Amino acid sequence: QSVLTQPPSASGPPGQRVVMSCSGSGSNIGSNYVHWYQVVPGAAPKLLMYRNNQRPSGVPDRLSGSKSGTSASLVISGLRTEDEADYFCAVWDDSLSGVVFGGGTKLTVL
Amino acid sequence: QVQLQESGPRLVRSSETLSLTCSVSGAPIGGYFWSWFRQPPGKGLEWMGWIFYTGSTNYSPSLKRRLTLSVDTSKSQVSLRLSAVTAADTAMYYCARVRGYSGYEALFYFDSWGLGSLVTVSS
Repeated sequence: QSVLTQPPSASGPPGQRVVMSCSGSGSNIGSNYVHWYQVVPGAAPKLLMYRNNQRPSGVPDRLSGSKSGTSASLVISGLRTEDEADYFCAVWDDSLSGVVFGGGTKLTVL
Repeated sequence: QVQLQESGPRLVRSSETLSLTCSVSGAPIGGYFWSWFRQPPGKGLEWMGWIFYTGSTNYSPSLKRRLTLSVDTSKSQVSLRLSAVTAADTAMYYCARVRGYSGYEALFYFDSWGLGSLVTVSS
């Protein structure tokens, strides 16, 4: 059971917009920055978004992040087949004194 | 561009100690924290802990009793030792570079990762 809650799956056809959510509590998302990572089997995990809505160099602007209260979202616009991957949110939890992850959302591009 | 590569035994016997090394290239190991994660088959990511290049550590409370991280700046390597392993420790193990400011752990994030090393614990 993960501390952060993510829907297990999401999908959409190429070109569509998809929203992936991450729900937590006051001791984690409610108090700290949320970061997002992409995991593709056989590849190194990749940082997609840091500090809620900051894109690292090289991440396209069709990806965006936001946070409100104890929830956060990662939006991918203009879906591409290469977006198929697992997406994880992560945040520091003040109560647990550690980094916690969501269970991950598996994105399928139909 | 920083590159990280995990290495170590792929098979470890139950009750023994799992040891992995993360070799860092393309960037200095000094000045940064370095973190370890794992992902059991079919499950999510788990943060294990991090170590500053000076040797200062912070461990996940759930692994604190069994986990030891160390750093060798002369070899640009960070190492992990997990004792008394069980089948539940079977996972892909990743190392990553930490970005953020020392003393502000809540701001930390992980900007460069290795490919991972799959470790299986056998009975």
